[in-house]
Formats: sequence, C-alpha cells, structure tokens
Amino acid sequence: EVQLVETGGGLIQPGGSLRLSCPASGFTVSYNYMGWVRQAPGKGLEWVSLIHSGGTTFYADSVKGRFTISRDNSKNTLYLQMNSLRAEDTAVYYCAVEDGVYWGQGTLVTVSS
Amino acid sequence: DVVMTQSPLSLPVTLGQPASFSCKSSQSLVSSDGTTPVHWFQQRPGQSPRRLIYRVSNRDSGVPDRFSGSGSGNDFTLEISRVEAEDVGVYYCLQTTYWPWTFGPGTKVEIK
Repeated sequence: EVQLVETGGGLIQPGGSLRLSCPASGFTVSYNYMGWVRQAPGKGLEWVSLIHSGGTTFYADSVKGRFTISRDNSKNTLYLQMNSLRAEDTAVYYCAVEDGVYWGQGTLVTVSS
Repeated sequence: DVVMTQSPLSLPVTLGQPASFSCKSSQSLVSSDGTTPVHWFQQRPGQSPRRLIYRVSNRDSGVPDRFSGSGSGNDFTLEISRVEAEDVGVYYCLQTTYWPWTFGPGTKVEIK
C-alpha cells in the first residue's frame, strides 16, 4: 500500500524558511516523478513543483527562486525547501506521485506575523 | 500557461440523477506521444484530492463505474451516471501536457 505523510508545516513569519518532508512507503521515490501541490484556504489547487525520476526539477513562477524540491533516495523521501516565505504562500501543501495518482494528507503552512 | 476553464462552478444535483462537468483548455492538450494527459480529481470536504480519471477516459482503481470521462483536444467532460450522497465535493480537471501543470477552478457539487 502506498503511503505519503507530509510533515514540517507550521506558523512562520514572513521572510522565514520551512522545509517540508514527505516520506514514502509502498513505492520508490527515485523511480517516479513527484511533486508538491498547494491549496490556499478555501481556494483551488496549484501544482508548485515537480521532480522527474532523472532529477530534473520544475517550478511554478509563483515560487521560482524561493522554493527547492529535492529527494533523498536513501530515505525514500521528498522535500520542499521554502525560503523567503510570503503571506500568499499560506496553504495546505500536498505531496503527490506522478500526475496525482497518490496524495498525502497535506501539511498546513501559515505565513503570518 | 495553459488555462483550464470549468463549468459550471457550482452544480446542485438530485440523488440518483446524472451530472456532467465540463473542462476546456486554452490550447490543445494532445502530447507528443499522441496521448492527452487530462485527469479528473474529486476532493471531498476535509480530504485530500483523489484521482478518478486519468488520460481523459481511464478510471482509476477502485473508482465506481458510474464515473466516466470523455473528450479530446481541448474539450473534456466528466459524467456521473447516478449521483450518490458520497459524491458531494469539488471536482477538478488537471492538464499535465505542459509545464506548469494547471488545474481548473473546480466544480462544487452539492445535493439539492
């Protein structure tokens, strides 16, 4: 059974940094492409970042230069390093496998002073 | 960026009756390999999204057969043959042909 469990969310001040983690079980992170999707409170879904099995990374313009997606194959874990956080980054962040075949339960990031 | 437009944005439905959701893209979504990677998701209140349909018309494992997807090019449809109470939620389409991958705004389904 595939399981994804996001951790690392919380309350952070504008300009601060957070690192989200998504340890996976039931499949191998490095064999698949994976990404992060966010959902602001009461809003729709936005795919913010993607990493291919070969390591190529992609970012939405809204986070480019501030967020970094990575993975640790030895820990079978996906990460999202978020720097220079802004109020508009407030959202539930989900990790997702390929084009959304599996999702985690999400972790809430709140950027506020 | 590819813009995905969904209609209606809100859909009151009667239990046991059919429902239909439209998703249109700002450009053709046929990929270089000939497939059309347009997918449909259901998000029930308080839950993570769940994929129902992949590549226009393929039902994911465990998805009831009352859900079906169709379409081509830049015009796609999700249908529920007979709505059940558990179908309440928001339905999103997603294109993964071009980066950035983009979702539609969602159609909110509620029971009349």
